[in-house]
Amino acid sequence: DAGITQSPRHKVTETGTPVTLRCHQTENHRYMYWYRQDPGHGLRLIHYSYGVKDTDKGEVSDGYSVSRSKTEDFLLTLESATSSQTSVYFCAISEIASGGRDTQYFGPGTRLTVL
Amino acid sequence: KQEVTQIPAALSVPEGENLVLNCSFTDSAIYNLQWFRQDPGKGLTSLLLIQSSQREQTSGRLNASLDKSSGRSTLYIAASQPGDSATYLCAVISGSARQLTFGSGTQLTVLP
Repeated sequence: DAGITQSPRHKVTETGTPVTLRCHQTENHRYMYWYRQDPGHGLRLIHYSYGVKDTDKGEVSDGYSVSRSKTEDFLLTLESATSSQTSVYFCAISEIASGGRDTQYFGPGTRLTVL
Repeated sequence: KQEVTQIPAALSVPEGENLVLNCSFTDSAIYNLQWFRQDPGKGLTSLLLIQSSQREQTSGRLNASLDKSSGRSTLYIAASQPGDSATYLCAVISGSARQLTFGSGTQLTVLP
């Protein structure tokens, strides 16, 4: 257990509503990531953060925004949810240890359904 | 753009058999390669990390090898058990974000 929690774990919402997913870590790692997992597409990077207030886009960032005001929290927001954003969302953390080892550890996931 | 492919997509073996899962990637400019296990409806569990300068890593019955120049990695599972049944994911760490690019996984079933 790498000290990563995600909330909520399950959410059902309607098209057009805003949704915020939270990732919390207790490890004080610098890098945090949001991925989504979909059948036929595997896991894909949405956004990532390399420090407080330092974020950047990943492969599938359209329709998503992120914020990181504290080292331990990384928020993913769907400003206006669409059915195509129905997915399982995973948060991951990483720290580049000495020797270049940067194992990524994953949270338990959030299953989001947009009706 | 980095692409990762895993073969086979699914594999069913009897208990006790040794097996090999394959992973290939298109861009050899990677930092590390990581193997994960995912059980149905669950998160990802890191199994092994191989740095780009290494050739292999071992953990218990698992051995992962890396041939960076040819863009290939294998995960060897010795004496398979029903508890090994899961989806195994290969991912490479590359790019300025040190992000993971995943393969689609190999779904392994070990029959008792």
